Amino acid sequence: SAVISQKPSRDICQRGTSLTIQCQVDSQVTMMFWYRQQPGQSLTLIATANQGSEATYESGFVIDKFPISRPNLTFSTLTVSNMSPEDSSIYLCSVDQGRSSGNTIYFGEGSWLTVV
Amino acid sequence: KNQVEQSPQSLIILEGKNCTLQCNYTVSPFSNLRWYKQDTGRGPVSLTIMTFSENTKSNGRYTATLDADTKQSSLHITASQLSDSASYICVVSARGGADGLTFGKGTHLIIQP
Repeated sequence: SAVISQKPSRDICQRGTSLTIQCQVDSQVTMMFWYRQQPGQSLTLIATANQGSEATYESGFVIDKFPISRPNLTFSTLTVSNMSPEDSSIYLCSVDQGRSSGNTIYFGEGSWLTVV
Repeated sequence: KNQVEQSPQSLIILEGKNCTLQCNYTVSPFSNLRWYKQDTGRGPVSLTIMTFSENTKSNGRYTATLDADTKQSSLHITASQLSDSASYICVVSARGGADGLTFGKGTHLIIQP
């Protein structure tokens, strides 16, 4: 199994500011992902965090708004830039340990952001 | 378009009772189907994962079934406990791993004493 630590767990942010969320995994993983879960909605994939190269963004998400870093195989950050109330969501880090772990996908505890 | 529909949207049952949550999907190709439990304000936790060839899998009081022909899955909870109060999310994978996942909106389950 993988233990994923996310920081911060919660924050209240002012409109127009930026916040960086950290994701630390207790083992090396190839695949790391960032999701957004808006209130009452399902999880939506923002991007795949690639180690050593630029993140791969899903349709509707851009690097300028959600810059991502992946400096090594155990750590990643997601920045939510120039926040507006529509960015109020839970942001989740996720890892896939591959076939050796039965393709189990693990999620962090989430970072609950409220933009005021 | 790949879709995962869950029903009911919400459900309230008494402690000790059983319940069944439904998941219908239109994901193609199909690799596997997962059920997750998500407590309020927490990240999802895996309950079961089933591939095309599996039609039932249990995890304690949770039993998931899969009918790949009708593209339906269910999650049965036996002898419910207060700690079962959570959202239950059905997730279908088109390619096996974490890329190509389609998430349902979840069923919000409340267990009352």
